[in-house]
Amino acid sequence: NAGVTQTPKFRVLKTGQSMTLLCAQDMNHEYMYWYRQDPGMGLRLIHYSVGEGTTAKGEVPDGYNVSRLKKQNFLLGLESAAPSQTSVYFCASSYPRDYHTQYFGPGTRLTVL
Amino acid sequence: DAKTTQPNSMESNEEEPVHLPCNHSTISGTDYIHWYRQLPSQGPEYVIHGLTSNVNNRMASLAIAEDRKSSTLILHRATLRDAAVYYCILMDFNKFYFGSGTKLNVKP
Repeated sequence: NAGVTQTPKFRVLKTGQSMTLLCAQDMNHEYMYWYRQDPGMGLRLIHYSVGEGTTAKGEVPDGYNVSRLKKQNFLLGLESAAPSQTSVYFCASSYPRDYHTQYFGPGTRLTVL
Repeated sequence: DAKTTQPNSMESNEEEPVHLPCNHSTISGTDYIHWYRQLPSQGPEYVIHGLTSNVNNRMASLAIAEDRKSSTLILHRATLRDAAVYYCILMDFNKFYFGSGTKLNVKP
């Protein structure tokens, strides 16, 4: 099993550009999450999904959109990137009855110039 | 919002026990206490969690104070592979309070 994978690993954008980060998991998890981690800080929840076709806002959702068209994939979109969105983005997944145990991907390092 | 407070860094000798403290004085009754760790350039990894009682698993032990305002993660025998940032987190499903963590350095 690959676990949780994220694409791409690195990306540099110019202000105003758009992009989509892809998260895929092969553990048949219902729940999926997107977090951001700024330097020297812990993670903050952006959006999450409790199942295919459903999404919800987390702590810091502004400037991001998400979609969960397939159970195994969770996409994070930036419509108009801003320098404040420079961060490392982590995707995670879990079973519904065990949301305490989240499995994280390796992260995507995004720089917005 | 509930918050956690941890020391910025700690040091341990290899094969000795390590006690990582966490204060969470504003914890609510439904918040679970979680510990995750993060190795350099990797995503966080689940370590252990609990609500009120002490917990043990193959990786560590979690000691929770009776008033739940503090907890301690115990690594029974630290190895070099345990060097990481350890996060004490309060979680109630989609409410997830991450602190800045404790960087653990393990000396051979």
